[in-house]
Amino acid sequence: AQTVTQSQPEMSVQEAETVTLSCTYDTSESDYYLFWYKQPPSRQMILVIRQEAYKQQNATENRFSVNFQKAAKSFSLKISDSQLGDAAMYFCAYRMKSSGDKLTFGTGTRLAVRP
Amino acid sequence: DAGVIQSPRHEVTEMGQEVTLRCKPISGHNSLFWYRQTMMRGLELLIYFNNNVPIDDSGMPEDRFSAKMPNASFSTLKIQPSEPRDSAVYFCASSSRVPDTEAFFGQGTRLTVV
Repeated sequence: AQTVTQSQPEMSVQEAETVTLSCTYDTSESDYYLFWYKQPPSRQMILVIRQEAYKQQNATENRFSVNFQKAAKSFSLKISDSQLGDAAMYFCAYRMKSSGDKLTFGTGTRLAVRP
Repeated sequence: DAGVIQSPRHEVTEMGQEVTLRCKPISGHNSLFWYRQTMMRGLELLIYFNNNVPIDDSGMPEDRFSAKMPNASFSTLKIQPSEPRDSAVYFCASSSRVPDTEAFFGQGTRLTVV
């Protein structure tokens, strides 16, 4: 079974600084998709960024980028120039391509941003 | 589109009562997921449907939980009888079957069983 592990229950970053959230996963598949979701206090789940496993280039979305290490099964999220609005729970998620459906989440990392 | 719509937003019920959570997915999406979120266990996938058919219900905790999707625009998650340990936030999400498409989440239902 696929599992997603986020080993950092909580992280803290100074406003304007950079922070990296860790995620590892376990799979025997070679083709799959990885996602980072943000959950602010409003509870709404918001997609931050996605990565296709067969693409070696790391995905970027403005201040958010990933470090995808397929051999190590690692998918970390880097937030640059942190802003107060980045404070939230962040979830890493995995989706198999073969079934195209099942979306498995990690346990989340709570990010605090210090002004 | 209004997004994924869940009702109610909050539900408080007494132990032993039946609880029904409702979800309207985004029009045109043919995959629907029910998740449960707790502090201890994070986001757990309970069940998901493709084209209204349940594909994997291995995450449903026990027989007290059941889910249905009678048509493409409506799904329910029922707990009968409810117990205090069922207290959690329940999310419904939908997506197309294209794998790289993200799942879109509803606002969740916060269930409290007293």
